[in-house]
Amino acid sequence: EPEVTQTPSHQVTQMGQEVILRCVPISNHLYFYWYRQILGQKVEFLVSFYNNEISEKSEIFDDQFSVERPDGSNFTLKIRSTKLEDSAMYFCASSLWTDNYGYTFGSGTRLTVV
Amino acid sequence: KNEVEQSPQNLTAQEGEFITINCSYSVGISALHWLQQHPGGGIVSLFMLSSGKKKHGRLIATINIQEKHSSLHITASHPRDSAVYICASLNYGGATNKLIFGTGTLLAVQP
Repeated sequence: EPEVTQTPSHQVTQMGQEVILRCVPISNHLYFYWYRQILGQKVEFLVSFYNNEISEKSEIFDDQFSVERPDGSNFTLKIRSTKLEDSAMYFCASSLWTDNYGYTFGSGTRLTVV
Repeated sequence: KNEVEQSPQNLTAQEGEFITINCSYSVGISALHWLQQHPGGGIVSLFMLSSGKKKHGRLIATINIQEKHSSLHITASHPRDSAVYICASLNYGGATNKLIFGTGTLLAVQP
C-alpha cells in the first residue's frame, strides 16, 4: 500500500536554528498538507499546498514557516528560527481528489527545540 | 469556524465489550474522518463518511448529517484496539481540504 514517508523521525535542534522537515507524498496525489501536534494537544492544521502553491495556511503558519515542493517528489517544511514552542510532532499528509479520497498521513517527525 | 468535540475523553473497557465513541461538530461539513493514533504518534485513517454508515471488520462508523453527529463503534473489543481515536471534519471544494481535528478519545482495552 502506498505510503507517505517523513524524515527524520526525530530531530533535536537548538533554539534559533533552522530546521527542514522532509516528506515524500504518495506519487499521484495532488494535495499536500502539514499538521502539527503539540504534546497532549489536538492535531492542528498548518498549511495546504496544491498546484505548486500554498492554498491555505493557518494563523500558526507565520513568516517563520515555509513550504516547498522542490523536485516534484519531496515536500518540505522549513522553520527558519526555531522557538521552544515549535516543539511538536509534525505530520505530512497527501490526498488525491477534493473529496479526500486516499487522505494519507506520514508517521510524523518529532521536533524537539532545546 | 467549525468546532469538533469528542466524548468521552478517556475510556477504559474490558476485552470483548462493545465500545462507542461520539463526535459532534458545529457547522455543516462535507465529510468526517475517523482516525487512529497509536503511542509513538502515527496517524492512520480508518473511515471517511459523508452519510450513513460504514463497516470495516469490527469497526463501524455512522454519521447523522442533520444532527451534526458521528459515532465510532468497536465490537468485541481487544487490547490491540487500545489507541487514541480521533474524529476530524472536512469541507472540500476549492484548493484546500484541511481537516479540523477533535481532541481525541484515549481508549484502553484491558484483557
